[in-house]
Formats: sequence, structure tokens, C-alpha cells
Amino acid sequence: DQQVKQNSPSLSVQEGRISILNCDYTNSMFDYFLWYKKYPAEGPTFLISISSIKDKNEDGRFTVFLNKSAKHLSLHIVPSQPGDSAVYFCAASAGGTSYGKLTFGQGTILTVHP
Amino acid sequence: GAVVSQHPSWVICKSGTSVKIECRSLDFQATTMFWYRQFPKQSLMLMATSNEGSKATYEQGVEKDKFLINHASLTLSTLTVTSAHPEDSSFYICSASPGAGDTIYFGEGSWLTVV
Repeated sequence: DQQVKQNSPSLSVQEGRISILNCDYTNSMFDYFLWYKKYPAEGPTFLISISSIKDKNEDGRFTVFLNKSAKHLSLHIVPSQPGDSAVYFCAASAGGTSYGKLTFGQGTILTVHP
Repeated sequence: GAVVSQHPSWVICKSGTSVKIECRSLDFQATTMFWYRQFPKQSLMLMATSNEGSKATYEQGVEKDKFLINHASLTLSTLTVTSAHPEDSSFYICSASPGAGDTIYFGEGSWLTVV
């Protein structure tokens, strides 16, 4: 049972344009969501997070949107840069004693072309 | 700089032997750390929750006698893969957070190859 899903295995974007990565979840207990960037043979690097009490969080070029009713979140990268090319994972955590215990999506490979 | 560090980054061991991977929180104390595994082209899967001073809790399907976890201090958790088999070859990653609501940091990961 895949509780966090990233339905797009890959995304290709031109430099300077917007990259939109999507993620859906099924578990209503999730209340904290994170996006990580990952290169092969390296640990994930934290990008941005959002709590379920918010519907938007912005940090520089990265913005995460959360639609709780649709159980959907998205990561927007504007403007996209070639250095953004990597695998992006969304992850979700429930609160309380389960905080920190993450369920990951399958990942989306983002390629930004110069 | 890294706030969660793993060692070793790469390890090759023979079938039947045991190998230990360390996970350290560098800038904070962590009563709880988490161990994940990632097979090639797959997502990260939670293996177990490491609890300082008490037994680890394992996810369904993860053999606790095979993957021994010790969290002896507030900054160190170790994962020991016992009697390693080639199918245990994978990328093992740990994570920790300073506290509830804080950023969850991951280590650099450890590549295990069992030959």
C-alpha cells in the first residue's frame, strides 16, 4: 500500500522555466510534509517542508503547496536551474511520537536543460 | 556542513560476516534516530526506529535479529547487519531531528556490498 505517491517518474524542463513536482498521499494522519533532493549514492538533502496547518510555504526559489482536501502537495521551483537536476522525493510524517518517521514517495527525476 | 554523519560511506564484506554502520548527530542530541534502506531505482524504505536507551522498533518485514540496532548515546546509533547475504547489498541511510517540528536531517548514506 503506497501511502505517498509521486506519479511522474521524470520531468524535463528548460532552464529558467518553472518545475512543478507533484505528490499525493492517502493517510489522513500525515500532518507534516517534506521535499528532499537526492543524488545517487548520497543521502537526501532537505529542501522545504510544510505543516498541515498551512497551505503554502516559500523559501527562495522553492514553494510548496498543500491541498489537504485533495491530499495533494506540489513543489514549484522557479526559475529552474541545471543544478536542480536530481531526484526529488516527497515525504510525509504523522505527528506525536511518529514525528520523524517518514514515508517516502517513489521519487521524480528532474532534468533541467540549459 | 553535515549535521548527521554516517560511517563508513562504502563497505564491502563477505557473505556470512557482520558489518557495522554508525550514525552520529553532530550538532544536536537525538533520542530517536531512524534507519532507511534504498535499493537501486527504488524509494527509501523505513527499516526501524532507534530509541536511545531502549530497544529499537522494527517495521514489518524487517528481521530484528539480522539488523541489530544500538542507540547507546544521544548522538550515536549503530546498525549491524549480521550474517550478511548478497541480497542485503543496499544503500543504508539514517536520519535524526533535534526535536518534533524541527528539520529532519539525513546522513550521507552507506553503500553496503556483500560478495
